[in-house]
Amino acid sequence: EAGVAQSPRYKIIEKRQSVAFWCNPISGHATLYWYQQILGQGPKLLIQFQNNGVVDDSQLPKDRFSAERLKGVDSTLKIQPAKLEDSAVYLCASSLAGEFEQYFGPGTRLTVT
Amino acid sequence: GEDVEQSLFLSVREGDSSVINCTYTDSSSTYLYWYKQEPGAGLQLLTYIFSNMDMKQDQRLTVLLNKKDKHLSLRIADTQTGDSAIYFCAEIGGSARQLTFGSGTQLTVLP
Repeated sequence: EAGVAQSPRYKIIEKRQSVAFWCNPISGHATLYWYQQILGQGPKLLIQFQNNGVVDDSQLPKDRFSAERLKGVDSTLKIQPAKLEDSAVYLCASSLAGEFEQYFGPGTRLTVT
Repeated sequence: GEDVEQSLFLSVREGDSSVINCTYTDSSSTYLYWYKQEPGAGLQLLTYIFSNMDMKQDQRLTVLLNKKDKHLSLRIADTQTGDSAIYFCAEIGGSARQLTFGSGTQLTVLP
C-alpha cells in the first residue's frame, strides 16, 4: 500500500514570496490533515478535511494560508505572502473516516529567508 | 488549550531499557499515542492506548497509563541504535477530536 506522498520535499523562498505544497493521501482515506512542525516542537494542526469539506481550520492563519481539496483526494496548502516565522516542516496526514489512526507523509521542509 | 509535556532528551546505552515519559492535561483524552520521527522523515505511529487501559505491550514496547496522574510512559526494552529518534506523545479526546502533540523527546542510544 502506497503511503502519503508530499512534494516538494524541500523549498527555500524569500519572505513575501508565495509557495504551495501538494499532498496525495493514501487511497480511500477520506480525512486529510495539514500540520505545521516548527523546529523543536511537535506538529500543530492547521486544517482538517473530510472528503472535500473543511472540518477544522481554527488554527490556520487565514490572512496568509489557504488550503483546498477540490475532488476529495489531493490537497494543496498555500502560503502567500510568506514570513520568516513560517519556516517549518509541513506535514500531511490521512486517515480513514472516523478512524483515529493517522498516517503521515515525509513532510516538506520550508525555509523562508 | 490542552497541553502535553515531555522531557527533551534521553540517552541510554545499547541493550538497556529506555523509558520516555509524558504528562497531559486533557481529562477527557480518549486515545494516547506514541509516534517516532527519524531525521528527515514523517511521523510513524508506534503504539497507542485507549484511556480505559492501564498497560499495553507490543513486542519491545510497553505503554503504561496512569489516568489519575495523567501520566503516560513508553518503555523500550533492549534499546538498539536504530531506536535513536524523536519520540512524540500525543492525545486525542474531548470535543476537539484533534491530535495534540508534545514537543518530543530526543532518544540517543550510545554504543
